[in-house]
Amino acid sequence: QVQLVQSGGEVKKPGASVKVSCKTSGYTFRHYGISWVRQAPGKGLEWMGWIYVYNEGTRYKGSFEDRVTMTVDRSTATAYMELTNLRLDDTAVYFCARVQTGTNEFLDPWGQGTLITVSS
Amino acid sequence: EVVMTQSPATLSVSPGERATLSCRASQSINTNVAWYQQKPGQAPRLLIYGSSTRSNDIPVRFSGSGSGTEFTLTISSLQSEDFAVYYCYQYNDWPRTFGQGTKVEIK
Repeated sequence: QVQLVQSGGEVKKPGASVKVSCKTSGYTFRHYGISWVRQAPGKGLEWMGWIYVYNEGTRYKGSFEDRVTMTVDRSTATAYMELTNLRLDDTAVYFCARVQTGTNEFLDPWGQGTLITVSS
Repeated sequence: EVVMTQSPATLSVSPGERATLSCRASQSINTNVAWYQQKPGQAPRLLIYGSSTRSNDIPVRFSGSGSGTEFTLTISSLQSEDFAVYYCYQYNDWPRTFGQGTKVEIK
């Protein structure tokens, strides 16, 4: 079955960087995209960006444009999201999700989430 | 960006009753909307895509409708496992956006 398994939670200091991994299995990696979505404690879902595995094209939400980089490693079917210059309000659970490409670009399934805590 | 506004913020419903959740887009998004269910400590689960197509293994009591700017998720007869937070999501324009969520709680 299709699975997305994310790396474990981390604690970071303000100004540091974090790189979260999302290892996929059960489907042809290059035929889909991967999106990253975050959820601050007790808050809603925030879309951060998207990478199309086939050509590694990316789209980022403007508010993350200068701090986020999304990449893939086709050899291991793994996606990565790096967020730099961390702030206290970046504390959140970060999810990866497979993106259906074509007519209906919904997100399904999702990884289990990775808690990133930013604390001084 | 397309703002997705969900209403109500909280919906109190008794088991077996019908629940109707709304999502309004700030501009037309055709039928490029999906609905997700999220329970505490879990990742969101896809219920509906293309405004009205049920995802695999989603019970028939979940249905979606709408096009343009107005969308509805209906749960025909609430079961205990349906009490959760529901989000709409648009994939018509960049950046993609979610609604703020509707919490369905037990009355």
